[in-house]
Amino acid sequence: AQKVTQAQTEISVVEKEDVTLDCVYETRDTTYYLFWYKQPPSGELVFLIRRNSFDEQNEISGRYSWNFQKSTSSFNFTITASQVVDSAVYFCALKTSYDKVIFGPGTSLSVIP
Amino acid sequence: DADVTQTPRNRITKTGKRIMLECSQTKGHDRMYWYRQDPGLGLQLIYYSFDVKDINKGEISDGYSVSRQAQAKFSLSLESAIPNQTALYFCATSAGKNTGELFFGEGSRLTVL
Repeated sequence: AQKVTQAQTEISVVEKEDVTLDCVYETRDTTYYLFWYKQPPSGELVFLIRRNSFDEQNEISGRYSWNFQKSTSSFNFTITASQVVDSAVYFCALKTSYDKVIFGPGTSLSVIP
Repeated sequence: DADVTQTPRNRITKTGKRIMLECSQTKGHDRMYWYRQDPGLGLQLIYYSFDVKDINKGEISDGYSVSRQAQAKFSLSLESAIPNQTALYFCATSAGKNTGELFFGEGSRLTVL
C-alpha cells in the first residue's frame, strides 16, 4: 500500500525564521517519484519540486531546500528565512509505478510578520 | 487561457441532483486525474485515466463516476449528490509514464445542500 504522512498539521513561525516541513512516505515500489506542492490562500496548486527514487541528492532552490532520505522514507522541505508570502498549505505527494499519485494531508504554514 | 480548465468553478445544488464537473486540457497529456480536497484531509484521488479506454478507481470512488470523452476531456459525475460530497474538486493532468508532475486546474467548488 502507498501512503504519505505529514505529521505537522499546522506550523506558525515568525518571519525570517527557518522552518522544516516533514514528509514520510510508504511504498513497496522501487521506482517512484516524490513531489511538493504549495497551495497559497488563493487556492491554486503550485508545483515546487520532483525527485525520483534513484536520486538522493539534496536540492536547493533559493530559500527552499529538500532533503530526500530513502533510509528513513522521508522527503523533508526546509524554507530558510521565511517570508509572509510563504504562508500556504504545503502538500507532499507520491507517484508510484502505476502513475497513481497520492497526497499527504498537508501542512498549513503561517508566517507571522 | 489556462492549460487545464474546469467548469463550473462554483456550483450549489440540492441533495439528490445529478452533477457533472468537466475538465479539459490543452497540454496534450494522456494522464488525467480527479481529486477531492477537504480541510485537513489533503487531496484524495477519486479516479484517474491513462487514455480514453483506461480508467481506474482511486481512493474514494464510491458515489462518483467518470467519462473520458477524448484525450483532452475528463468529466466527473455525481449521480445523486449528497451533502458530504461538498468539497473542492481538482482536475489534473500529467505527461508520460512515471516522470511527470501534475498540472492542476483552478478547482471547482461544489456545495450540496
